[in-house]
Amino acid sequence: QKEVEQNSGPLSVPEGAIASLNCTYSDRGSQSFFWYRQYSGKSPELIMFIYSNGDKEDGRFTAQLNKASQYVSLLIRDSQPSDSATYLCAVTRNQFYFGTGTSLTVIP
Amino acid sequence: NAGVTQTPKFRILKIGQSMTLQCAQDMNHNYMYWYRQDPGMGLKLIYYSVGAGITDKGEVPNGYNVSRSTTEDFPLRLELAAPSQTSVYFCASIMDSVYNEQFFGPGTRLTVL
Repeated sequence: QKEVEQNSGPLSVPEGAIASLNCTYSDRGSQSFFWYRQYSGKSPELIMFIYSNGDKEDGRFTAQLNKASQYVSLLIRDSQPSDSATYLCAVTRNQFYFGTGTSLTVIP
Repeated sequence: NAGVTQTPKFRILKIGQSMTLQCAQDMNHNYMYWYRQDPGMGLKLIYYSVGAGITDKGEVPNGYNVSRSTTEDFPLRLELAAPSQTSVYFCASIMDSVYNEQFFGPGTRLTVL
């Protein structure tokens, strides 16, 4: 069983819509949860992190964590073409474990 | 601050050659990591370090070696390069625990022919 699983996509949404990205993890001892965005040929950059159950909002982005169900999600409101990228979920338990990423395309 | 820097940006090796990928950070971070990313895949941890003189293996350490003689530098050594080591290599650092954001370098694209 993989530590972190994501739907590889591709996920396509029209401009202005809400994009929903999901991630599940296998270890209940996981400590912190991160969402990174990676443009093609570039290094990952942090979007958000969350440690506690519930929602955390930052601008157009909302991270949701449910430790009982072992999933973390990222919602992107008012999606823009510039949001088109691969989104990596990372979970930590002494070290970082990354999912394979979900490719998102926002269609103008 | 330059953040995390990596050299070289690109490199082509022949099978059996060796090389060192350089990584440096100027943020006084204790934790440093080396990842590889194959096409369409996530990041796999090769080696990491929690401070100068301390290194440990990650998920895919075979064929690689590291050292950490200073806080700033964390070079990755490839011995006897193989085509399976063709990948993009990222170095990253964080301050002091896995609750903090990882800062990534720009990556090194390595091809082994």
